[in-house]
Amino acid sequence: EAQVTQNPRYLITVTGKKLTVTCSQNMNHEYMSWYRQDPGLGLRQIYYSMNVEVTDKGDVPEGYKVSRKEKRNFPLILESPSPNQTSLYFCASSLSDPTGNYGYTFGSGTRLTVV
Amino acid sequence: GENVEQHPSTLSVQEGDSAVIKCTYSDSASNYFPWYKQELGKRPQLIIDIRSNVGEKKDQRIAVTLNKTAKHFSLHITETQPEDSAVYFCAAPDGFSGGYNKLIFGAGTRLAVHP
Repeated sequence: EAQVTQNPRYLITVTGKKLTVTCSQNMNHEYMSWYRQDPGLGLRQIYYSMNVEVTDKGDVPEGYKVSRKEKRNFPLILESPSPNQTSLYFCASSLSDPTGNYGYTFGSGTRLTVV
Repeated sequence: GENVEQHPSTLSVQEGDSAVIKCTYSDSASNYFPWYKQELGKRPQLIIDIRSNVGEKKDQRIAVTLNKTAKHFSLHITETQPEDSAVYFCAAPDGFSGGYNKLIFGAGTRLAVHP
């Protein structure tokens, strides 16, 4: 089944403790992205990657890191999480850039709480 | 960069009525406008999109219209059903140097369809 898999689905952590949210897709998509969803703010892009070893900042990249060493994986790293990073996070992938002929396939989401 | 505004933020209709959600964008060069539906507790999913070379696109009970001059596009749902209850997001491309490789989402509209 074609899908984007995120783990974990839920995570509660403490301020300053490094964490990684994994994202993997099995569709050979070139484009992958991370969004955060907050009430009243919609989906805001954190980082995106147009291919292996090619990453770029979205609109809210502060406090996050990403890497794209393999085509299928695009982990999101929070080196020192803070309470304002409490949010619902979505990984998304697209065959090519999402403004082309292909839409996004989203993962199931990761609800992160930083206390 | 692109700015997308979405209205209304909440919409309540009776089953069988029509619902209209409107988005405005700022970049006159934008050429692709998708709509995503997010049911409660689930991931966003692409439901319809439109390109700037057409003014309207239909898919059963949903349609999207585009007014390039006024820089707005709208989602129309006819004969609404309870399963249409969800949050709907519009989006538009953002980019620079001639390449559009990001999607900017609106803040979302929570649609409630009452039986």
